[in-house]
Amino acid sequence: DTAVSQTPKYLVTQMGNDKSIKCEQNLGHDTMYWYKQDSKKFLKIMFSYNNKELIINETVPNRFSPKSPDKAHLNLHINSLELGDSAVYFCASSQDLKLATDFFSYNEQFFGPGTRLTVL
Amino acid sequence: AQSVTQLDSHVSVSEGTPVLLRCNYSSSYSPSLFWYVQHPNKGLQLLLKYTSAATLVKGINGFEAEFKKSETSFHLTKPSAHMSDAAEYFCVVSDEGGYQKVTFGTGTKLQVIP
Repeated sequence: DTAVSQTPKYLVTQMGNDKSIKCEQNLGHDTMYWYKQDSKKFLKIMFSYNNKELIINETVPNRFSPKSPDKAHLNLHINSLELGDSAVYFCASSQDLKLATDFFSYNEQFFGPGTRLTVL
Repeated sequence: AQSVTQLDSHVSVSEGTPVLLRCNYSSSYSPSLFWYVQHPNKGLQLLLKYTSAATLVKGINGFEAEFKKSETSFHLTKPSAHMSDAAEYFCVVSDEGGYQKVTFGTGTKLQVIP
């Protein structure tokens, strides 16, 4: 009954490899996000998708490519992994504006448990 | 443009004493404000959120926060700390509701001493 789930929970890999992280939400939300949390706990948004359409794309290297096969899934693929990619990656989802009961419900985001990526 | 500043990176309190975690924000519009908590090796959980209905917001686990527009602050408080409150706390601002873009503060690590 997990609301937002991510797989895998831990990912250890070598530099130069390509890896994917999967995210699924069963809340019926239309918007999903990827965040990166660095070693100092700083959280920064990377991407946001609404109904499978990219709406936020922060300054992220081209090696990172999000893919949303449907509105319940947002996967993150990373090519040619680098040491600096080591971080915890969080997926989140939120209610669509049209369905929100009020503006503030619209903004509340529900987070997954995170994926700890370690690049060696 | 929006930004949020958490004034303390670490706060240490004794169990049973009050907690104060400070947050100041900057916003071009009327902001949405949130506090999230992250326990070790866990995801983020919403503690409370600001709505224009009341400037004093009550959240889960006995936490509350007061929105002060004149001071652009949204400090988080709890009358009596519990050991289970030890965690990282993030203040979050959003005033770009059309795209649901939020900005996280750098976090405050709360330590509770027995």
